[in-house]
Amino acid sequence: AQSVTQLGSHVSVSEGALVLLRCNYSSSVPPYLFWYVQYPNQGLQLLLKYTSAATLVKGINGFEAEFKKSETSFHLTKPSAHMSDAAEYFCAVSSGNTPLVFGKGTRLSVIA
Amino acid sequence: DTGVSQNPRHKITKRGQNVTFRCDPISEHNRLYWYRQTLGQGPEFLTYFQNEAQLEKSRLLSDRFSAERPKGSFSTLEIQRTEQGDSAMYLCASVGSGSLNTGELFFGEGSRLTVL
Repeated sequence: AQSVTQLGSHVSVSEGALVLLRCNYSSSVPPYLFWYVQYPNQGLQLLLKYTSAATLVKGINGFEAEFKKSETSFHLTKPSAHMSDAAEYFCAVSSGNTPLVFGKGTRLSVIA
Repeated sequence: DTGVSQNPRHKITKRGQNVTFRCDPISEHNRLYWYRQTLGQGPEFLTYFQNEAQLEKSRLLSDRFSAERPKGSFSTLEIQRTEQGDSAMYLCASVGSGSLNTGELFFGEGSRLTVL
């Protein structure tokens, strides 16, 4: 079975500071990994995905994530936080043939 | 707009009533998923369809829940005899053949259910 653990249910950063949201996964097969963002009362929007190509993945809105097999991690980063980045972020894993399994999410707050 | 569409966006009902949600996937997407999201949690898988065939159901899908996709296009999720614990956001997602082998899903904006 696959699973995702997101460390920290709430992360708060100052505007302009580095954003780091942590995700560790468990999978018995090579995983596909995703980060989705959710704004209040909206559905999920794909930020980026790892599909066994480059281990450093760049996504929308300046976010990127690095797949580290040895650490079973897929942490999400952004060099400089913007107020508009405040949202809920979900890490998810799939084997390709299985439904996406999501973590519990991390709420990002950005302080002016 | 050619994204995934869900209706209604919000539904408030009394305990014991039946409710039905509809999802219109992205045109030509042959796989359709339903997820449930409760407050402070990530989305949890409920069921999915490949065209009109329902291929997998989660243990979360009790016998009060039924989903259909009769013509392989739109789908409905019905909850009978609603309970307060059914209050959640119900998310629909679809995927086309091009993204099938990575598992990437395209989500609608969800239908929020409040059971009083």
